[in-house]
Amino acid sequence: DAGVTQSPTHLIKTRGQHVTLRCSPISGHKSVSWYQQVLGQGPQFIFQYYEKEERGRGNFPDRFSARQFPNYSSELNVNALLLGDSALYLCASSLLTKGFGEQYFGPGTRLTVT
Amino acid sequence: QQQVKQSPQSLIVQKGGISIINCAYENTAFDYFPWYQQFPGKGPALLIAIRPDVSEKKEGRFTISFNKSAKQFSLHIMDSQPGDSATYFCAASGNQFYFGTGTSLTVIP
Repeated sequence: DAGVTQSPTHLIKTRGQHVTLRCSPISGHKSVSWYQQVLGQGPQFIFQYYEKEERGRGNFPDRFSARQFPNYSSELNVNALLLGDSALYLCASSLLTKGFGEQYFGPGTRLTVT
Repeated sequence: QQQVKQSPQSLIVQKGGISIINCAYENTAFDYFPWYQQFPGKGPALLIAIRPDVSEKKEGRFTISFNKSAKQFSLHIMDSQPGDSATYFCAASGNQFYFGTGTSLTVIP
């Protein structure tokens, strides 16, 4: 079975632009979470979605938004990009209907903001 | 405020030795404590996890020791191998999911 997939792999954007990152969970997984990993640090939780509803939100500004589609895939949107948004954006999926449980991560999207 | 504190930041171990990484937390509402392994350019991969009603869990060469009263947990890697060289993250979850700061492990042949 395919694992979590993310697209694109790499992305270069300019300050002030908008970006959309995409994630497809493992088949059968209905929960998707997004994380930001700055170089040399641990991933930081951004959002969790389950059955198209937001279940949790980390300490990120409103420039960050996400949604989940009926097929359980998800998009992360970031508006008005800042240099500090440069990071590896990770998506994870899990089977659990509540909480996080065993999360399986995709390879990430490397975003560079210039 | 760092919800999960991890140490050491880096660790060098001889092949066949034991690697030990420690984590501490404050929030007693956390109910799930996983460890992840991450190689450069890859996403984190789940290694082993424990819930607070258990004091120890072993899977192959990996063992989690959990001390609920001290709010600490640790990862032991027995018979460490060069292929174990990676960054290891502890984590804790309740309503949100928190990673530690990571430990860069190097196993010397």
